[in-house]
Amino acid sequence: LAKTTQPISMDSYEGQEVNITCSHNNIATNDYITWYQQFPSQGPRFIIQGYKTKVTNEVASLFIPADRKSSTLSLPRVSLSDTAVYYCLVGRNSGNTPLVFGKGTRLSVIA
Amino acid sequence: ETGVTQTPRHLVMGMTNKKSLKCEQHLGHNAMYWYKQSAKKPLELMFVYNFKEQTENNSVPSRFSPECPNSSHLFLHLHTLQPEDSALYLCASSQLAGDSYEQYFGPGTRLTVT
Repeated sequence: LAKTTQPISMDSYEGQEVNITCSHNNIATNDYITWYQQFPSQGPRFIIQGYKTKVTNEVASLFIPADRKSSTLSLPRVSLSDTAVYYCLVGRNSGNTPLVFGKGTRLSVIA
Repeated sequence: ETGVTQTPRHLVMGMTNKKSLKCEQHLGHNAMYWYKQSAKKPLELMFVYNFKEQTENNSVPSRFSPECPNSSHLFLHLHTLQPEDSALYLCASSQLAGDSYEQYFGPGTRLTVT
């Protein structure tokens, strides 16, 4: 399974764009990159998934360079409610090799 | 009801008790998972069921016993637990063999072992 490295914590003011970068140097050809968000005492929630280049949905954007050894989750204009832990996962959710959650990045949004 | 539900939401049990956690998914998925999340620790995958067959057991102590009677229901039977087993237990489901690798999580059961 590809190991991921992401910052332990980040702080941001409301209204700013937040970029969280995840390193995954040994990503395999068939691996996808998936990001989850988790609020305290709740289960993680899927945010976005991508394979290469750029993916955008109503919540976030995911930027993946050509070598795919890293990815950046971009949250536009964060609010206090975006305070959460963000997890980067790499792999294929095949059942026999399920995705593994790391420690994530704790984002604190300040008013 | 939609999504993944878990009952009970909170559970306090003594070390000699036997209890069960229940998870139900209403998404038609073919895989279900149990995770444990202790305070300030990463999510730990405990068990995986793929088409009702257990495919993963991450060295979980035998005092935790999973059961998957059908693709919609998953149980975690608990007996003679230890205080260090106190944690948030999360159930998740997903559809394998598709293009999405998204897991849908339930709200969790907050377990306290006294």
